[in-house]
This record gives sequence, C-alpha cells and structure tokens, in this order.
Amino acid sequence: QVQLQESGPGLVKPSETLSLSCTVSGGSISSNYWSWIRQPPGKGLEWIGYIYYSGGTNYNPSLKSRVTISLDTSRNQFSLKLSSVTAADTAVYYCARLITGTTARDYWGQGTLVTVSS
Amino acid sequence: DIQMTQSPSSLSASVGDRVTITCRASQGISNYLAWFQQKPGKAPKSLIYAASRLQSGVPSKFSGSGSGTDFTLTISSLQPEDFATYYCQQYNSYPFTFGPGTKVDIK
Repeated sequence: QVQLQESGPGLVKPSETLSLSCTVSGGSISSNYWSWIRQPPGKGLEWIGYIYYSGGTNYNPSLKSRVTISLDTSRNQFSLKLSSVTAADTAVYYCARLITGTTARDYWGQGTLVTVSS
Repeated sequence: DIQMTQSPSSLSASVGDRVTITCRASQGISNYLAWFQQKPGKAPKSLIYAASRLQSGVPSKFSGSGSGTDFTLTISSLQPEDFATYYCQQYNSYPFTFGPGTKVDIK
C-alpha cells in the first residue's frame, strides 16, 4: 500500500519561501505523476502542480511564477517550494498521487497546515 | 482553465434519503471526472473515477454518471458516516480543477 507523508515548517513568515517534502513509502516514486494540492481553512481544493518521475513538471498558472516542484528518487521524496508567500497562502498542503487517465487509484498524504504569519 | 461548478452548495438530508449532487464543467471533459468525499481534518477520499467507476473498497450505495459537461453523484441511502463534503474534480486537462464542494449535513 502506497503511503505519503508531508513534512516541513508549520509557520512561514510573509515574503519568505514555503518548503515542504513528501516521502513516499510502499512504492517507488520512479513512476507516475506526483502532485501538491492545497486547501485554505474552510475553503476548497486547489491543485498546485505535479512532477513526473522523469522530472517533467506542470504548474497551475495561478501559482506558476512562485512554484517549484522537485524530485529526489534516491530518497523516494518530492518537494514543493512556494516563494514570496502571503497570508493568502495559509492552507493545508497535501501531497498526492492523483487519478489520471492512466492511473485509477489515488493516494494522499494526511496534509500539513502551513500558516503564513510574522 | 476548466471551471467546475457544483449544486447545491449544501444540503440537509435524513438517514435513508437518496441524495444527488450535480457537477458541471465549463467545457467538455469526456469522462475524466472523479468524486471525492472529505471529512473534517482528513484528506479527500476518492469514491468514483472515470465518471462512473466505483473506486476499490467504496460501497455500492455511491454511484456516478455523466459525460461531457454534466455529471451526478448519487448516494442511494444516506448513512451517518456519509455526512461530509463532496467534491468533483476534472482530470481531462491541466490545470486539474475541483468543484467548490457540496456539504451534506444532517436534517
């Protein structure tokens, strides 16, 4: 059973860079698409972007200028960096392997709350 | 981007009720649609993929239908564990987008 676990600081100052990692266990990261999704408190879900096992990426245009997703196959991890954060970036951040046209099964981390505040 | 809308935004229902939630895409997405259930403090859990296929382990009281732009999720007989927020999500094209959610609570 594939499991995902987010890790990283729960508090980030405005204008700084949010950095999170996702460790994948029970399966190899060297296949499939690996995504980040976020959910502001009390609000809906927003897809941030994905990284493919080959290293290719695709980002939500609404965040593209501030987002970097990277892969570390040796550690079976992928990471998110979101720069120049504001209070609007306060959210629960999930890492996930989402359903795609070729993958019917999805897996999600439990989510981690990141608060942007001075 | 493909915009997803859901109706209603919330509903109150009783145990045993049949519940239907509608999701509409701003352009055709074939059957590349998933439905999720989310309970407070938990990650979303997929119920349906490819518009009508039941995810492994999900009870058959959940069903999905539709293609193109209009989709529905039906819960045939609502149980206490089904009170939650439900989201649709299109995976036809990037960026993936979610509907705003439908909150189902107890009448």
